[in-house]
Amino acid sequence: KQEVTQIPAALSVPEGENLVLNCSFTDSAIYNLQWFRQDPGKGLTSLLLIQSSQREQTSGRLNASLDKSSGRSTLYIAASQPGDSATYLCAAGGFKTIFGAGTRLFVKA
Amino acid sequence: GAVVSQHPSWVICKSGTSVKIECRSLDFQATTMFWYRQFPKQSLMLMATSNEGSKATYEQGVEKDKFLINHASLTLSTLTVTSAHPEDSSFYICSAQETSGRTSYEQFFGPGTRLTVL
Repeated sequence: KQEVTQIPAALSVPEGENLVLNCSFTDSAIYNLQWFRQDPGKGLTSLLLIQSSQREQTSGRLNASLDKSSGRSTLYIAASQPGDSATYLCAAGGFKTIFGAGTRLFVKA
Repeated sequence: GAVVSQHPSWVICKSGTSVKIECRSLDFQATTMFWYRQFPKQSLMLMATSNEGSKATYEQGVEKDKFLINHASLTLSTLTVTSAHPEDSSFYICSAQETSGRTSYEQFFGPGTRLTVL
């Protein structure tokens, strides 16, 4: 049974800092690994999708990596801004997509 | 990208009534759709997998007689919460998996439906 863990559960950083969010999964037989952003009371915004054959994906200030053999993915956010404050969820995509509990990020101005 | 809609976006109902939530893939066909539930400050929990033309597969602990799922077409799945009670109040999110020749198995998520049962 796939289990997804995200560390840290919460993070508070000053504006401008680079930061890394971690995601680990127990079953490496995944189709993809996806990172989402969720604002309070809102739905999911897809940030990056890494296929199982890929190692990383980049979009703007975001970079996500995937190491299937070790069951890990990281989301790197460069030059964080207050507008980045949200909950970040990773999801391991297989026959079913299993979500981690999320990392709540607060970027202080 | 592919678009998934949900209707309604929010609903308030009285305890004991039934509520139907629709999930539509707007610009693609989806053989498989998924229903998730999210309680406040918690992550998304998969409730069931819905396959077009067949019965849904429910996750352990999810009552199939309470949460009725119908996937009658390649673009529409519905979730009916029967005899809703306050503990069913939650954020319900659906996703759809495109059935074209792609092998990415990427899921596209709807905006969610917030259910409040009084």
